[in-house]
Amino acid sequence: AQSVTQPDIHITVSEGASLELRCNYSYGATPYLFWYVQSPGQGLQLLLKYFSGDTLVQGIKGFEAEFKRSQSSFNLRKPSVHWSDAAEYFCAVAVYNNDMRFGAGTRLTVKP
Amino acid sequence: GAGVSQSPSNKVTEKGKDVELRCDPISGHTALYWYRQSLGQGLEFLIYFQGNSAPDKSGLPSDRFSAERTGGSVSTLTIQRTQQEDSAVYLCASSLDSGGSADTQYFGPGTRLTVL
Repeated sequence: AQSVTQPDIHITVSEGASLELRCNYSYGATPYLFWYVQSPGQGLQLLLKYFSGDTLVQGIKGFEAEFKRSQSSFNLRKPSVHWSDAAEYFCAVAVYNNDMRFGAGTRLTVKP
Repeated sequence: GAGVSQSPSNKVTEKGKDVELRCDPISGHTALYWYRQSLGQGLEFLIYFQGNSAPDKSGLPSDRFSAERTGGSVSTLTIQRTQQEDSAVYLCASSLDSGGSADTQYFGPGTRLTVL
């Protein structure tokens, strides 16, 4: 069965520290991969996506993610976290438009 | 409009009442999606429209839920005889429909539904 796992429910990092949010998936084929961010009371905003090509993708707000086929992972990274990055982060995978699956989300808290 | 809009932003209703939630997609986007986000949980897929037709209704949790889309644009999600477990944020998204692959979905701000 298709599934997306975000192992970390909640992560706390200090401002200026590096960040890595994990995402693993189980799919019959290599899906398209997305990371979305949701700030309190707002909808989801696309950070980045991977369709094909270079496995390291750059997104908005200084985020990047690396697709590792052998590990079925698509981890999100940022070298230096800002207080405004505090939000909920969702990994999503899809092969077709009607089968997008989201992880349960990772809530990021940033300490001053 | 510039983005996906949803109305109302908040809806409080009494158990047993019907509610209608509205979504205006990005102009030109032929694909439209509804999701439900319950407290502390990820997004649950409800239904997907390709134009005005809904080829996939498998995510609707019960026959109390229905959705329609007219003119290839605005969509309405209707919940009849609401129950307390229907309380959630209902998110709408739209995308270009390139056919046969997954497009980037753009989300609206959601409607927070509270059933008392």
